[in-house]
Amino acid sequence: EPEVTQTPSHQVTQMGQEVILRCVPISNHLYFYWYRQILGQKVEFLVSFYNNEISEKSEIFDDQFSVERPDGSNFTLKIRSTKLEDSAMYFCASSDRQANQPQHFGDGTRLSIL
Amino acid sequence: AQKVTQAQTEISVVEKEDVTLDCVYETRDTTYYLFWYKQPPSGELVFLIRRNSFDEQNEISGRYSWNFQKSTSSFNFTITASQVVDSAVYFCALIITGTASKLTFGTGTRLQVTL
Repeated sequence: EPEVTQTPSHQVTQMGQEVILRCVPISNHLYFYWYRQILGQKVEFLVSFYNNEISEKSEIFDDQFSVERPDGSNFTLKIRSTKLEDSAMYFCASSDRQANQPQHFGDGTRLSIL
Repeated sequence: AQKVTQAQTEISVVEKEDVTLDCVYETRDTTYYLFWYKQPPSGELVFLIRRNSFDEQNEISGRYSWNFQKSTSSFNFTITASQVVDSAVYFCALIITGTASKLTFGTGTRLQVTL
C-alpha cells in the first residue's frame, strides 16, 4: 500500500538554526499538508498546499515557516530560525483529488531544538 | 469556527471489555466530514474512518463500530472485545468542505488495554 514517507525521523538542531523537514507524499495525491504535535498535545494544522501554492495556513505558520515542492515528489517544510517552542512532532499528510478525502499521514519527524 | 471535543482524556480497560470513545463536534456548516485516527505508541497517525454529514448510518468494521448522531453532534467510536494492541491515543477530527480542508483535531483519548 502506498504511503507517505518523512525524513529524518528525528532531527536535533540548535536554536536559531534553519531546519528542513522532508516528505514524499503518495504519488497520485494532489493535496499536501503539514501538521505539528507538541508532546502530549493535540495535532495542529500548519499549512495546506495545492497546485504549487499555499491554500491555507494557520496562525502558527508565521514568516519563519515556508513550504516548497521542489520537484514532482518532495514536499518540504523549512523553519528559518528555530525556537525552543518549535520542538514537536511534525507530520506530513497528503490526500487524493478531492480535498475532503482522508488525509494519509507519514510517521512524522520529531524535531528537538536545543 | 469549528471545534472537536473529546472529553475523555484517558480510559483504562481490561482486555475483552467493550469501550466507547466519545467525540462531540461543533460547526455551523451543514456539509462536513468526520474522521477517526489512531496514534499507537510508535507515534504515527493511522486513518480509521471517514463519515460525511449526510450519512448517519452507523458503520461496523470488525471489532470497530461508529455511531454518528447529528442531533447531538456526536461521532462516537466503540471497540468491542478490546485487545492490548488497541492501546493508543485516538483522535476525532473534522473537515469543513469548501475550505482547503484542514483537519481540526480533538485533544485525543488515550486508551490503555491491560491483560
